[in-house]
Amino acid sequence: QKEVEQNSGPLSVPEGAIASLNCTYSDRGSQSFFWYRQYSGKSPELIMFIYSNGDKEDGRFTAQLNKASQYVSLLIRDSQPSDSATYLCAVTRIQGAQKLVFGQGTRLTINP
Amino acid sequence: DVKVTQSSRYLVKRTGEKVFLECVQDMDHENMFWYRQDPGLGLRLIYFSYDVKMKEKGDIPEGYSVSREKKERFSLILESASTNQTSMYLCASSSSTTGVYEQYFGPGTRLTVT
Repeated sequence: QKEVEQNSGPLSVPEGAIASLNCTYSDRGSQSFFWYRQYSGKSPELIMFIYSNGDKEDGRFTAQLNKASQYVSLLIRDSQPSDSATYLCAVTRIQGAQKLVFGQGTRLTINP
Repeated sequence: DVKVTQSSRYLVKRTGEKVFLECVQDMDHENMFWYRQDPGLGLRLIYFSYDVKMKEKGDIPEGYSVSREKKERFSLILESASTNQTSMYLCASSSSTTGVYEQYFGPGTRLTVT
């Protein structure tokens, strides 16, 4: 089982709809969870982090964390073509908390 | 804003050459990282440093070494470049003081070994 799993996609969403990206992790003691956006040919850019159960909202983005289910998600409301990118989920390891484990990423395409 | 810079965006080297990739961050972060990113394999950690002169192997350290002589600078060294080291190399940094450890990435170096 991979430490961090994401559906690789591609996920195709019409413009203006809600895009829902999901991530599961295997290390039950993980404490911090991150979502990065990566445009083609560019480096990952941090868009949100969450470390408490529940929802965290920032503009059109909402991160959701459920530690009991070992599940973290990212919702993008009012999706725009500029949201088309690969979204990487990352989780801290219990040992060596400074290190992150990354999922493979989900490729998201927003269709005008 | 956190700024992480890398010495080259694109680099072409020959098999057997010694290659240096440099990374500099300006946020006084304690932790610095080197990853490589390949299609289908995602981001893989090569080496990590949590303090000056300290280093720790990541998941794929073979064929690489690192140097951290100053807090802001972390170098990745390919002792004898091989074609299977053709990849995108990403440097990142993070702070230990927040306890959250979010990492900030540089623009990446696309290395081609011929």
